[in-house]
Amino acid sequence: AQRVTQPEKLLSVFKGAPVELKCNYSYSGSPELFWYVQYSRQRLQLLLRHISRESIKGFTADLNKGETSFHLKKPFAQEEDSAMYYCALRAGTTDSWGKLQFGAGTQVVVTP
Amino acid sequence: DAGVTQSPTHLIKTRGQQVTLRCSPKSGHDTVSWYQQALGQGPQFIFQYYEEEERQRGNFPDRFSGHQFPNYSSELNVNALLLGDSALYLCASSPGTVYGYTFGSGTRLTVV
Repeated sequence: AQRVTQPEKLLSVFKGAPVELKCNYSYSGSPELFWYVQYSRQRLQLLLRHISRESIKGFTADLNKGETSFHLKKPFAQEEDSAMYYCALRAGTTDSWGKLQFGAGTQVVVTP
Repeated sequence: DAGVTQSPTHLIKTRGQQVTLRCSPKSGHDTVSWYQQALGQGPQFIFQYYEEEERQRGNFPDRFSGHQFPNYSSELNVNALLLGDSALYLCASSPGTVYGYTFGSGTRLTVV
């Protein structure tokens, strides 16, 4: 069974401080991992996918298959980063391509 | 492009009733997925429609059914509503079954 765990419900950081959102997953095959973000009063939107290996809005995430983790990091948090962040997994099998398995989410609050 | 459009935005139903939620995908997208998001939790996959057929299904009872029309729009039907069906229902569309999803703003269903 697939599972995505985000251990922190709430992460409070000061502006300019580094921020790291933890995501651990459970899946025996080759997963595809994503980070989605939801800003206040906006819809859920894709932030990063591990396949792209890109940096979006200063955020990066590395897939660590050994530790089954996909932590999201940003060296200097900005107030506009305050949002709900969801880690999601898609199994690499044809019978599960359509399904995204989401974690419970981490609320990030950046204070000035 | 309006992106993914869902209607209605809110509705209140009585236990035992039936409800239909609607989704218009983003232009150029032919695949629609539905998710249920209970308060304080991440979205849970209900099912995905492609070429007017249900392609994948999550762990939801048969009370949850759907349909996709030739113009790619979709409906989610829930019969015999339970109090526990109260949630935000999200529609996501994509160009094919394996690419990134664009989410709608959701329909907030309250069952009383």
